[in-house]
Amino acid sequence: GAVVSQHPSWVICKSGTSVKIECRSLDFQATTMFWYRQFPKQSLMLMATSNEGSKATYEQGVEKDKFLINHASLTLSTLTVTSAHPEDSSFYICSAPSGGYGYTFGSGTRLTVV
Amino acid sequence: AQSVTQLGSHVSVSEGALVLLRCNYSSSVPPYLFWYVQYPNQGLQLLLKYTSAATLVKGINGFEAEFKKSETSFHLTKPSAHMSDAAEYFCAVSAGNRDDKIIFGKGTRLHILP
Repeated sequence: GAVVSQHPSWVICKSGTSVKIECRSLDFQATTMFWYRQFPKQSLMLMATSNEGSKATYEQGVEKDKFLINHASLTLSTLTVTSAHPEDSSFYICSAPSGGYGYTFGSGTRLTVV
Repeated sequence: AQSVTQLGSHVSVSEGALVLLRCNYSSSVPPYLFWYVQYPNQGLQLLLKYTSAATLVKGINGFEAEFKKSETSFHLTKPSAHMSDAAEYFCAVSAGNRDDKIIFGKGTRLHILP
């Protein structure tokens, strides 16, 4: 079945640095990728929608300059958390429509900013 | 716009007892509805989905859900709980277009009592 490979699975970075998270669709073309953030014991909140070859659409309240999304190809979408701060520590998950009205999720990235 | 409300952030049932997790939806268009399960520090696994076909949907691990338009509900059930069912469960909705974003409920933590 459809697989979205998300890397890294966990990362620790210093405050002020940037972190890049990658999501690759392994056996299908992902023209759209959804990026979610999940705080501990909370639900998944949609941050933005990326579309291959165009600018991402951000949800209200999400800083587009802080969370840079690039969807340069049909198999790769990236989220870069710029100038990370401790409050950005969270679980980030990507998801792509994968046919049959289904969605395939990455395994998530645990980001800890110290 | 679409939204889902999950009633009960925590549900406890005894092993072998019926599992019932409640979900009500709101949608301005015919919805597609999903139930996902998440184990700690992991991504999401699809249990089942409703995409306007049969109103009673059977999923994996013995779970099923019934779409009731008159009640705007999509409750998840399992006849007999197993210890391995302990996890976080999310109800989700999309507008039904292939690339439409999926919106999650706040989640319900299922506890299985021995």
